[in-house]
Amino acid sequence: DGGITQSPKYLFRKEGQNVTLSCEQNLNHDAMYWYRQDPGQGLRLIYYSQIVNDFQKGDIAEGYSVSREKKESFPLTVTSAQKNPTAFYLCASSHYQGMNTEAFFGQGTRLTVV
Amino acid sequence: AQTVTQSQPEMSVQEAETVTLSCTYDTSENNYYLFWYKQPPSRQMILVIRQEAYKQQNATENRFSVNFQKAAKSFSLKISDSQLGDTAMYFCAFMNGGNYGGSQGNLIFGKGTKLSVKP
Repeated sequence: DGGITQSPKYLFRKEGQNVTLSCEQNLNHDAMYWYRQDPGQGLRLIYYSQIVNDFQKGDIAEGYSVSREKKESFPLTVTSAQKNPTAFYLCASSHYQGMNTEAFFGQGTRLTVV
Repeated sequence: AQTVTQSQPEMSVQEAETVTLSCTYDTSENNYYLFWYKQPPSRQMILVIRQEAYKQQNATENRFSVNFQKAAKSFSLKISDSQLGDTAMYFCAFMNGGNYGGSQGNLIFGKGTKLSVKP
């Protein structure tokens, strides 16, 4: 089955720790994205990547880092510099041209600072 | 930079009736895609409908249809015969198309409209 997988589903972080959220896709998509969603809010773009070994900052990149060493994988690290990391994080992937362009989403990771 | 605006934070509709959700966007690009996504309480994002900017014909998917006005940069979603299962957050989204480079592939969302379907 083709799809996009995020793990873990729930993650707890102590203050001052870095944590990494995993995102893997087997859809052969070029583009991958990370979004943050706060309660009752829309999706805010953190980072996106159009191609391996390249990525661009979104609207709220401060306190986050990413890598794109493989086409299938786009992990997000929430660093200790992110002062309010508690949120729901969504990963997505897509082609960005062609007749059937759409973004596919993972099921999300709920991150809580304890 | 592209922006997407949904001006209706919340809406409600009676079961079996029709409702229209509004979306406007701003871009200087000519090659792009527009989407409506649904997010039910499970928080899984589900594609409702897609529109390619180069197509003049409005997209339809069963009870869902769009009114795409390219010159006005408007992309509204009409839900006919509303069902209880349509209750969800609805997000309008914009993606630049084209080849690698610049802002192509950037996928941005509006803030969403919370739709409640009442029995």
